[in-house]
Amino acid sequence: NAGVTQTPKFQVLKTGQSMTLQCAQDMNHNSMYWYRQDPGMGLRLIYYSASEGTTDKGEVPNGYNVSRLNKREFSLRLESAAPSQTSVYFCASSGRDRGAPLAFFGQGTRLTVV
Amino acid sequence: GQQLNQSPQSMFIQEGEDVSMNCTSSSIFNTWLWYKQDPGEGPVLLIALYKAGELTSNGRLTAQFGITRKDSFLNISASIPSDVGIYFCAGLDRGGSNYKLTFGKGTLLTVNP
Repeated sequence: NAGVTQTPKFQVLKTGQSMTLQCAQDMNHNSMYWYRQDPGMGLRLIYYSASEGTTDKGEVPNGYNVSRLNKREFSLRLESAAPSQTSVYFCASSGRDRGAPLAFFGQGTRLTVV
Repeated sequence: GQQLNQSPQSMFIQEGEDVSMNCTSSSIFNTWLWYKQDPGEGPVLLIALYKAGELTSNGRLTAQFGITRKDSFLNISASIPSDVGIYFCAGLDRGGSNYKLTFGKGTLLTVNP
């Protein structure tokens, strides 16, 4: 049972470059999330997807786009990376897991924009 | 929207001491979750709570679902150096067949050997 899988684990981008962070879950969860975590800070919600085909902005959506490709996958795109987007990005999913509502995280993507 | 207030923001304790942290919400949650994040890793689920008043243990960790359903508490007994990390509370709210997650800001725990 892989849970939530994020790729890549590390990435260095130049300012202005674009990239897509991938996230997939195998728990049949409806809801998926993208967070960013800066040093010494908590998790800030970038975007949320309640179900396939729906997405909502979170606390810090500027500079990002998302795509809920299907129930399993939720990708985060940086169209024109900026140094302020240097952060650790976490994907999460929530739903019922063996009957109980739960939420799980991926291992994170460490992104550096130079 | 819903907000979670987690306190304290940080704690510095000696090995062997007990630790308490809590989370309060502006509204009711039906599920409370507690996570631990080790440096360089993603948050890992420690304990899940589903009923008001519920007390659940996981080794030296004990968590409680407040009877008002607007708060939760996490206690760590006899702390050890590997307890170091950030502890997050989260409320999970159901809307139809979907569950929405709301996080606290985290408690940074440092344990001095």
